[in-house]
Amino acid sequence: DAKTTQPPSMDCAEGRAANLPCNHSTISGNEYVYWYRQIHSQGPQYIIHGLKNNETNEMASLIITEDRKSSTLILPHATLRDTAVYYCIVKSAGNKLTFGGGTRVLVKP
Amino acid sequence: DAGVIQSPRHEVTEMGQEVTLRCKPISGHNSLFWYRQTMMRGLELLIYFNNNVPIDDSGMPEDRFSAKMPNASFSTLKIQPSEPRDSAVYFCASITDRDSNQPQHFGDGTRLSIL
Repeated sequence: DAKTTQPPSMDCAEGRAANLPCNHSTISGNEYVYWYRQIHSQGPQYIIHGLKNNETNEMASLIITEDRKSSTLILPHATLRDTAVYYCIVKSAGNKLTFGGGTRVLVKP
Repeated sequence: DAGVIQSPRHEVTEMGQEVTLRCKPISGHNSLFWYRQTMMRGLELLIYFNNNVPIDDSGMPEDRFSAKMPNASFSTLKIQPSEPRDSAVYFCASITDRDSNQPQHFGDGTRLSIL
């Protein structure tokens, strides 16, 4: 599975949009981009995933570049409860989820 | 809908004791995964099952660790004998089918402390 690169940390103001970048320049054609987050002392929580089209659900939006070498997770109106570590993972069906270091997001009032 | 259920939530025991962690996957899911999370190594996959059969146990650290899935609704991860370096949070996750692109869903984990 392709490796991903994320910034180790970022701050965000409460009520503003949080844009979390992820680079996956070695992604292959059958690999999906998944985003999870982990709030302190809880299990990883699935947020969203996509192949090449942009996706939106009740939690977030996922924007994947046309060449699929990078993506951005958008939390449209960050709240204090969105403070967590966010993981960007690339994998194909039947393969394992491999977690990297993620981005530690701190939402500030 | 009930999510992945793990028990116990916390376990503290002395080294040398046997430890058994339990997991109930989401009903209808036929693949189950065990992960371990530590500060040093992050989240690592230990083993996963498909249709109750172990598929990949390459992440199991050593023979002291064993996992079973006797039926579709229950799995155990056992450590015998336990050591202080086994202290970690252990997560279980399940998915509808390992060949699906649907996401894995995680339990809230078991925080294990070996004294």
